[in-house]
Amino acid sequence: DAKTTQPPSMDCAEGRAANLPCNHSTISGNEYVYWYRQIHSQGPQYIIHGLKNNETNEMASLIITEDRKSSTLILPHATLRDTAVYYCIVEAGTASKLTFGTGTRLQVTL
Amino acid sequence: DVKVTQSSRYLVKRTGEKVFLECVQDMDHENMFWYRQDPGLGLRLIYFSYDVKMKEKGDIPEGYSVSREKKERFSLILESASTNQTSMYLCASSLNGVQPQHFGDGTRLSIL
Repeated sequence: DAKTTQPPSMDCAEGRAANLPCNHSTISGNEYVYWYRQIHSQGPQYIIHGLKNNETNEMASLIITEDRKSSTLILPHATLRDTAVYYCIVEAGTASKLTFGTGTRLQVTL
Repeated sequence: DVKVTQSSRYLVKRTGEKVFLECVQDMDHENMFWYRQDPGLGLRLIYFSYDVKMKEKGDIPEGYSVSREKKERFSLILESASTNQTSMYLCASSLNGVQPQHFGDGTRLSIL
């Protein structure tokens, strides 16, 4: 059973913030939220992960709601190169498989 | 930055051949993984390894084997390639615990 729900597609204008939502209402207390993206014909690229606090790195910010049932990945200034499929994954650790759902296809346009 | 290197981006082999896919990581990671990715099926785990000479079956190990003789290298072997093994193969590695898996660029394998 899928642990996460994401919209199948989103559009964003170049230079604007892209806000990608993810629902994970059955998340357990020891499970982290990981975000990856996959650009066509490349391997998945790790973006960010968090447990309950908001996180920021050079690529993006991750906002996790207080009840941890949903999160939002924010790309602050989207560029055409951010066009990709974005995956939200919930796992207790990374020593075993990651389960990738269908993700959100983000299209950044001029 | 973590670097996971897969030996080939594209590979074409014939049915019945023994095929080797190689993966090397440069960050002293404990765990290494092999997935395949097919349209409509997402990523599926074939095998993984949490230490040298250790291996664990994933969800679809049939027709595959693996080798991990050194910590940095994890090889996927197709014992007798078949057309249904045509796919994108992705290698990943991670430290123990909750640190993220990092992926290579993938090998697109075609079996004719």
